[in-house]
Amino acid sequence: GAGVSQSPRYKVAKRGQDVALRCDPISGHVSLFWYQQALGQGPEFLTYFQNEAQLDKSGLPSDRFFAERPEGSVSTLKIQRTQQEDSAVYLCASSSSGTAGNIQYFGAGTRLSVL
Amino acid sequence: GDSVTQMEGPVTLSEEAFLTINCTYTATGYPSLFWYVQYPGEGLQLLLKATKADDKGSNKGFEATYRKETTSFHLEKGSVQVSDSAVYFCALSDPVSGTYKYIFGTGTRLKVLA
Repeated sequence: GAGVSQSPRYKVAKRGQDVALRCDPISGHVSLFWYQQALGQGPEFLTYFQNEAQLDKSGLPSDRFFAERPEGSVSTLKIQRTQQEDSAVYLCASSSSGTAGNIQYFGAGTRLSVL
Repeated sequence: GDSVTQMEGPVTLSEEAFLTINCTYTATGYPSLFWYVQYPGEGLQLLLKATKADDKGSNKGFEATYRKETTSFHLEKGSVQVSDSAVYFCALSDPVSGTYKYIFGTGTRLKVLA
């Protein structure tokens, strides 16, 4: 596709439920990032992939959060046993290479509401 | 650690007014700097960027100059339009991080009145 695609756009989960959020990056992009954006705040880094390798997961808030990118393209962010504090917009971004000046292209995000 | 500080919003201006949104940063290395814009209901879009000191990024009438001596990257536009109403985010990418992840400011909401 032309841009980064995320699904679903909206997800409502009951507390304790597991959720899976999907990101389809721009074709050929090596780098993939996940960010969490709380209401009224800037996005915060969660994790980074270079192809299928997860090189940085320092931003994952707890061991309930897990991300994968098994074939170096589509990525899934999984949250187990969701809590109310997990409610946020989850953004995925991709870039063509891992350099500081390289532009990240963002998807529209998945808005997760945990009740 | 690295951080980005943006001026608090919301900022409300009349059409054709001059806009400045302040952004300052702290970084371990020599970062690249970005401004992203988020229109209502849409994802983040790159507005402009600068990768070294004294570089000026510009796009759609917006400008920002990378000032290393003041660690700043203020966003300016000479004459805003109603269509510029959005949330603006300043961000940095520090090569020291090894991953080139972005560090964002909290965002500044701009509302332009006709």
